[in-house]
Amino acid sequence: AQTVTQSQPEMSVQEAETVTLSCTYDTSESDYYLFWYKQPPSRQMILVIRQEAYKQQNATENRFSVNFQKAAKSFSLKISDSQLGDAAMYFCAYNNAGNMLTFGGGTRLMVKP
Amino acid sequence: GAGVSQSPRYKVAKRGQDVALRCDPISGHVSLFWYQQALGQGPEFLTYFQNEAQLDKSGLPSDRFFAERPEGSVSTLKIQRTQQEDSAVYLCASSSGGVQETQYFGPGTRLLVL
Repeated sequence: AQTVTQSQPEMSVQEAETVTLSCTYDTSESDYYLFWYKQPPSRQMILVIRQEAYKQQNATENRFSVNFQKAAKSFSLKISDSQLGDAAMYFCAYNNAGNMLTFGGGTRLMVKP
Repeated sequence: GAGVSQSPRYKVAKRGQDVALRCDPISGHVSLFWYQQALGQGPEFLTYFQNEAQLDKSGLPSDRFFAERPEGSVSTLKIQRTQQEDSAVYLCASSSGGVQETQYFGPGTRLLVL
């Protein structure tokens, strides 16, 4: 069974600074997808970024980028120029042909003004 | 277009009561998923539909949990004889159905069983 681990229960960043959230996963599959979701206090889960395992190039969406290390099974999220609205729970998730998402335990990100 | 909607947003039930949670997926989305999220944890998979067919129900924690999607659109998650351990947020997600398509989530239903 696949597992996803987020080792940082909480992270804090100063507004306008950069923060990196860590995620590792365990799988025997070679083709899969990885996601970062954001869940603000309102609880609506919002997709931040996705990465296809077959792509070597790291995905980027505006201020959000990933560092995907397939051999190390690592998938970290970098948030640049942090904003107050970035404060939320962030979940790393894995998906392969089973279609279901397997989530990590989440990292609570706090942004200090 | 409209996103995934869920109702009710909050539900308080007495232990032993039956509850029904509704999910309206994004129009045209073939795949629909239910997840359970305990307080302070990541969501956990419950069940998955493709159109009206329930293809995977391996995550349902007991036979008190039942889900249906009779016309391939709206889905209902029913919990019979609720227990305190059923207290959680129930999230619904839908996707366009292609393999590895992104799942879009609803706001969730927070269930509290007293």
